Amino acid sequence: EVQLVESGGGLVQPGGSLRLSCAASGFTVSSNYMSWVRQAPGKGLEWVSVIYSGGSTYYADSVKGRFTISRDNSKNTLYLQMNSLRAEDTAVYYCARESGSFYAFDIWGQGTMVTVSS
Amino acid sequence: EIVLTQSPATLSLSPGERATLSCRASQSVSSYLAWYQQKPGQAPRLLIYDASNRATGIPARFSGSGSGTDFTLTISSLEPEDFAVYYCQQRSNWPSTFGPGTKVDIK
Repeated sequence: EVQLVESGGGLVQPGGSLRLSCAASGFTVSSNYMSWVRQAPGKGLEWVSVIYSGGSTYYADSVKGRFTISRDNSKNTLYLQMNSLRAEDTAVYYCARESGSFYAFDIWGQGTMVTVSS
Repeated sequence: EIVLTQSPATLSLSPGERATLSCRASQSVSSYLAWYQQKPGQAPRLLIYDASNRATGIPARFSGSGSGTDFTLTISSLEPEDFAVYYCQQRSNWPSTFGPGTKVDIK
């Protein structure tokens, strides 16, 4: 079965760090464009970052310089390292696969909650 | 950054009625426009990609149209499970952006 399972969310103080993981099964992470998308409580969806199959990365301006997307091919897992966290980073974080055939996110994880609060 | 605007913000309809949702882009996104459905506590689900193509397993009552800057998602006859929030998304370039969503609720 093709699926994504996120982990690593939790409560962190402002200025702190957290690393999210997204374990894939049924397909190869390194062969696809993989993104992180977040959703603040009661709000809409916000794209955060993407890593291309070739390794190039892009970030939303709101997280540039603070977040780093990466992957471990041996573990078939996607990561999001989040540093210098702010209250406005509080959200459910989803990992999502972009289809290899068209430009849309066809597979989503269930999400992991990140709360930034003192 | 391409800004997507969705209208209306809320659509109150009864089961069996037709729903028409609009998404407008601040500049052309060609046909690189997708639609997602999200229910409370769940991840988004892809409905439509490339403006008019239904994703795998999506019922035929869902259809998409448009190109350039104006797009429409139509649900021909609402089923009880269709009451949810719908988002459009552009992947014409990075950053990819989403619209603010249209909530379809029961009248």
